[in-house]
Amino acid sequence: GQNIDQPTEMTATEGAIVQINCTYQTSGFNGLFWYQQHAGEAPTFLSYNVLDGLEEKGRFSSFLSRSKGYSYLLLKELQMKDSASYLCAVADSNYQLIWGAGTKLIIKP
Amino acid sequence: NAGVTQTPKFQVLKTGQSMTLQCAQDMNHEYMSWYRQDPGMGLRLIHYSVGAGITDQGEVPNGYNVSRSTTEDFPLRLLSAAPSQTSVYFCASSANPGSGANVLTFGAGSRLTVL
Repeated sequence: GQNIDQPTEMTATEGAIVQINCTYQTSGFNGLFWYQQHAGEAPTFLSYNVLDGLEEKGRFSSFLSRSKGYSYLLLKELQMKDSASYLCAVADSNYQLIWGAGTKLIIKP
Repeated sequence: NAGVTQTPKFQVLKTGQSMTLQCAQDMNHEYMSWYRQDPGMGLRLIHYSVGAGITDQGEVPNGYNVSRSTTEDFPLRLLSAAPSQTSVYFCASSANPGSGANVLTFGAGSRLTVL
């Protein structure tokens, strides 16, 4: 079966760095996405990785290792507004997205 | 530029009632889809469409119908509501359904409660 695993909840301190991991087993791979979802709101796109390596976008970076079925989202200089759920999703061989349950990130002052 | 517009935002139904969730996008996206989001679970695809006149089933289609008569609109119909359909529903669209970089734009969501 197809499966995306990510931690349910993480806590970090304002100004610090946090890494949210995602492991996946899917039938085929056509890219991995990270979305951010604030409570009561819609998911919004953060990043897309299809090749191995690190993609940096401001305070956010996303890493992919296809051989290990592994990705992480790195958030630097955490701000209170980063408190949200972070969703990992993989596009399978048919380009359909398989979603993880999301990681709720709590930022403490 | 409104993006993806969903209505209603909240709805309470009784078991057996029917209703339609509306979704419209103004970005000329070919791909539109409906997801449901339940606590502790990933987004699950209900139905999707790759263009006007074309629809297909996703992971959890039972109890739902869709149609795509225009590029802009993709309504989701609940035929006979059941408590198991209590959920938050998201409509999402994208421009490149057959490519890897299929970035979805989501509507604000519709919270449905079935009593």
